[in-house]
Amino acid sequence: DVKVTQSSRYLVKRTGEKVFLECVQDMDHENMFWYRQDPGLGLRLIYFSYDVKMKEKGDIPEGYSVSREKKERFSLILESASTNQTSMYLCASTTGASSGANVLTFGAGSRLTVL
Amino acid sequence: GEDVEQSLFLSVREGDSSVINCTYTDSSSTYLYWYKQEPGAGLQLLTYIFSNMDMKQDQRLTVLLNKKDKHLSLRIADTQTGDSAIYFCAENQAGTALIFGKGTTLSVSS
Repeated sequence: DVKVTQSSRYLVKRTGEKVFLECVQDMDHENMFWYRQDPGLGLRLIYFSYDVKMKEKGDIPEGYSVSREKKERFSLILESASTNQTSMYLCASTTGASSGANVLTFGAGSRLTVL
Repeated sequence: GEDVEQSLFLSVREGDSSVINCTYTDSSSTYLYWYKQEPGAGLQLLTYIFSNMDMKQDQRLTVLLNKKDKHLSLRIADTQTGDSAIYFCAENQAGTALIFGKGTTLSVSS
C-alpha cells in the first residue's frame, strides 16, 4: 500500500521554538507539497518541490522554510514558531508528469499547537 | 487569480441524495477533482474529471461539469452516515499545483 507518512501526528511547541515537520513518501514521486488547513480557510499551499534540492514558494510561505535533500523526504521548518502557526499541516506527493491528472496522495496530517 | 468556491455546510438524511456544488474561475482548468477528508485523516481522492467531459459516474458518485458556467457538482446517491466528511473541490491545469476550495462539511443524520 503506497503511503505518505508524516512522522508526528500531534505536536505541542512553545513560541519561538524551531519546529521540524517530516514527510516521507514511498512512491518515488517527484513532486511534494506542504499545505496548512484551517477551519473556514480550507487548504493553503505553503511550499512545494518538483525535485531534490528544489523548492518553490506557495501562497503562504512566510514564516516557513523547507528542505528536500532526498527524493522521498520533504521537511517543513518553522524557524521560530508563533501562535498563528497553530494548524493542521498536510503533506502530499504526486508524480512529475507534465500531462494527465495531478492526483495527490496525502499524509494523515500533523496537528501543531504553539503555546 | 484563480479561485474555487464551495458552500461550507450541507446536511442530509440517510438514504437521500447529496449534491455538493463548486464554482471555479480559471477557464483554462484541465482537470477538476473531488477529495474527501474523514475526521482526523488526510484527504483522499474520490474522483476527477477531464475538462472535455461533462459527466462521470462511479457507483454512487456522479460528477457533473458545466464548463460554460465553470460549475462542478458531486452527487452522492443513497447517502450513508459513513459519507459524513469534508469534501473538497480542486482544479488545475496539467502539471501545475492544485487549487482547492475551502471544503463542504457533509453531515448525514439517521
